[in-house]
Amino acid sequence: ETGVTQTPRHLVMGMTNKKSLKCEQHLGHNAMYWYKQSAKKPLELMFVYNFKEQTENNSVPSRFSPECPNSSHLFLHLHTLQPEDSALYLCASSQVSGSNEQFFGPGTRLTVL
Amino acid sequence: QKEVEQNSGPLSVPEGAIASLNCTYSDRGSQSFFWYRQYSGKSPELIMFIYSNGDKEDGRFTAQLNKASQYVSLLIRDSQPSDSATYLCAVTRLSNFGNEKLTFGTGTRLTIIP
Repeated sequence: ETGVTQTPRHLVMGMTNKKSLKCEQHLGHNAMYWYKQSAKKPLELMFVYNFKEQTENNSVPSRFSPECPNSSHLFLHLHTLQPEDSALYLCASSQVSGSNEQFFGPGTRLTVL
Repeated sequence: QKEVEQNSGPLSVPEGAIASLNCTYSDRGSQSFFWYRQYSGKSPELIMFIYSNGDKEDGRFTAQLNKASQYVSLLIRDSQPSDSATYLCAVTRLSNFGNEKLTFGTGTRLTIIP
C-alpha cells in the first residue's frame, strides 16, 4: 500500500448504529487530518493530530470521535449520526513542518439513513 | 463574507485554449496558497502552491498571487480534456504547532470541450 488509504470506501448506516472509519498513511508523515466534504460546500476541516496529539477540533459535534493511536493511523468513530452527516469523509496527512503539502486519501462515502 | 471565494462554474473552455480560474480570500494573514484538482468521485490532489506575490509556472500551469488584492489565480495553458475537473483553491495560515490549516473554497468546475 502506498500513500494514504481509507476504509471502508462506502458506508451506509442507520442513525442508531456505531461505526468507525479508518485511515492509514504510508508516507512517514507526522500530522493527520479529518475533513468533511458535502455537496456544494467547501471542504471542512474537522480534526488535526500532530505527533498523535489532537491539536484542532473545529467545533465538531461529539457524535464524531477521533482516535489517533500513532502517527500512521487515524480513526473516526461514529455514533447516533444524523442524515445531514451524510458526506464524503477525507483523511489527509502531512509533515508538521517544512513542506506542509497535505496528501489526501480516497475518502469514505458515508450515507446515514 | 466567505473566507475563500470561487466561482462555482461550470467554466467551459475549448481544447487548446487557456483556462483561467480565480479565487479571492478574506484573511490578510494568509501565508500560503494552494490549488487542488479533484476529479469526480476522487480525492483532491495538489497541483500548485505559491507563497510570494507574482507568478509561478509549472509546465502548463501558472499560479498568480496578488496579496494586496487578496487574489490568487490558476492559468492552464493548452487545455486538455483530461483537465476537466473541479479546482479547489485553499489558503493557509500557520497554526501554533507549525503546520498549516487549510481553508478551502467551494471549487470551480472546469470542462474542456474537445
